[in-house]
Amino acid sequence: DQQVKQNSPSLSVQEGRISILNCDYTNSMFDYFLWYKKYPAEGPTFLISISSIKDKNEDGRFTVFLNKSAKHLSLHIVPSQPGDSAVYFCAASVHSNDYKLSFGAGTTVTVRA
Amino acid sequence: DVKVTQSSRYLVKRTGEKVFLECVQDMDHENMFWYRQDPGLGLRLIYFSYDVKMKEKGDIPEGYSVSREKKERFSLILESASTNQTSMYLCATGALEEKLFFGSGTQLSVL
Repeated sequence: DQQVKQNSPSLSVQEGRISILNCDYTNSMFDYFLWYKKYPAEGPTFLISISSIKDKNEDGRFTVFLNKSAKHLSLHIVPSQPGDSAVYFCAASVHSNDYKLSFGAGTTVTVRA
Repeated sequence: DVKVTQSSRYLVKRTGEKVFLECVQDMDHENMFWYRQDPGLGLRLIYFSYDVKMKEKGDIPEGYSVSREKKERFSLILESASTNQTSMYLCATGALEEKLFFGSGTQLSVL
């Protein structure tokens, strides 16, 4: 039973516009959340994270929002660029637990020129 | 930058074969992990290790075993490969599990 869910398998967006990726989780013990980006034939790379004590974290064009009451987080990419075309995985962990990450199924983002 | 090297990019094996997937990291990280990635399922944890000689089961350990004889090397073993083990296998390491560094993956096909 997946504890982290990304219900949109794909997203297509025009270059320069905003990409919004959504992620829901069921385990209320999760207190650390991450986004990873994966290009074909490469391993995932860390993008951005957020602790449950915050509701927003920003890093350049990437912002992650956390709504703990709704058990929902989202990743905003503004503006979207062609190099952002990749698969994005949402992940979560129980910080004080044994360091296991639970991943969502991923969302494939395609940025159109 | 941390480098995580997986021995093979592509592997084709026959049902029933014993398969070894090797992973080497060039940092002094205690933690190493094996995941498999399948369409629609994301990444699922198979096994992980906190230290040499130590191993812990992840979410889907059935049909797999691991070996960690040296700190930098973590091997995944498929004792008797089956077609449902056809997948992308990803090794990862990290000093803190919040930021894992992944290898490029091994695409295993079991025929």
